Amino acid sequence: GENVGLHLPTLSVQEGDNSIINCAYSNSASDYFIWYKQESGKGPQFIIDIRSNMDKRQGQRVTVLLNKTVKHLSLQIAATQPGDSAVYFCAENSRRSGNTPLVFGKGTRLSVIA
Amino acid sequence: EPEVTQTPSHQVTQMGQEVILRCVPISNHLYFYWYRQILGQKVEFLVSFYNNEISEKSEIFDDQFSVERPDGSNFTLKIRSTKLEDSAMYFCASSNQGAREQYFGPGTRLTVT
Repeated sequence: GENVGLHLPTLSVQEGDNSIINCAYSNSASDYFIWYKQESGKGPQFIIDIRSNMDKRQGQRVTVLLNKTVKHLSLQIAATQPGDSAVYFCAENSRRSGNTPLVFGKGTRLSVIA
Repeated sequence: EPEVTQTPSHQVTQMGQEVILRCVPISNHLYFYWYRQILGQKVEFLVSFYNNEISEKSEIFDDQFSVERPDGSNFTLKIRSTKLEDSAMYFCASSNQGAREQYFGPGTRLTVT
């Protein structure tokens, strides 16, 4: 799906550099967070998740950091590649159980400059 | 790798017409969801479905919407009388029992004219 919007934050990064995408949340009860990647014409693709009992989690080339004190979440992408160009959403859940609705943030568009 | 699929990819309909959006969730998942994304806006939850009934719905999911699992593989969203403001991307998602991560399909772009 397209995420064209005048108000969508955009991050431009040189290929090979690291990217940091930020997300703020307001619900102090949120205890589970997911980062999704959405390429043009596609649905949100799961990247990595983190529970509130952790402050850092690493995946392949990605790291998610959670700061519960300031209600802030970040996604770090190492050695950014052109294929990383997409809109990135954080989503949260505060129900302390599975199978309940996710609440999405607005998204950040990442543009990788070759 | 198993994935959620959706059809059609794009649906154009006239205001007042009924549309049915179709989804095939991941085969061993038991929970199904519909979300929508109006152009340039956030992804918003519509409804969740488990054991052949709605588990939860948002205020967006009013009487013009309905969901159904007509057989063992499909999960559908019906909009009875479409309005211009129903134009959006509609995403189906599914998850395992007790899981918090949800896996999304590619979406159906609904355009109401």
